[in-house]
Amino acid sequence: AQSVTQLGSHVSVSEGALVLLRCNYSSSVPPYLFWYVQYPNQGLQLLLKYTSAATLVKGINGFEAEFKKSETSFHLTKPSAHMSDAAEYFCAVDAGNMLTFGGGTRLMVKP
Amino acid sequence: DTGVSQDPRHKITKRGQNVTFRCDPISEHNRLYWYRQTLGQGPEFLTYFQNEAQLEKSRLLSDRFSAERPKGSFSTLEIQRTEQGDSAMYLCASSTGSMSPYEQYFGPGTRLTVT
Repeated sequence: AQSVTQLGSHVSVSEGALVLLRCNYSSSVPPYLFWYVQYPNQGLQLLLKYTSAATLVKGINGFEAEFKKSETSFHLTKPSAHMSDAAEYFCAVDAGNMLTFGGGTRLMVKP
Repeated sequence: DTGVSQDPRHKITKRGQNVTFRCDPISEHNRLYWYRQTLGQGPEFLTYFQNEAQLEKSRLLSDRFSAERPKGSFSTLEIQRTEQGDSAMYLCASSTGSMSPYEQYFGPGTRLTVT
């Protein structure tokens, strides 16, 4: 079975600081991996996806993620946090016709 | 806006009542998915359709839950005899079925509160 684990249910950074949100996956086959963002009382918006074409994936809003097979990781980063980045972030693995999500990380950005 | 839409956005019901939610996918998408999200958790897959065929329903939480997509367009999710534990956000997503991975686009969700 495929699964994802997000380390840190809450992450707090200062505006302008590096954002690092961690995701580790478990999969018996080469995975397809996704990062989604959810703003309060809204649905999920796709930030980026890994489909094996390139290990470094660039997404929207300045986010990127690097697939590391040796570490079974797909961490999400952004060089400089903005107040508007405050939201819940979910890592997900394509488990064949469905997505399996991690528990989410709430990002807080301090002025 | 031609994104995924869900109706209603909020539903408050009393325990034991039946509720039905509607999802309208992006028009050219033939796959439709339902997820449930409880507070502080990631979404949990429930079921999905390709056109009108329900291809996976083993993850529906109990036999009180059922979903339909009769004409391969909109879908409904029904919960019978609601319980307080059913209180959650119900999310719908759609995707094309042309090439894996199927990039899923989510609607805004229906928040259910069972009193």
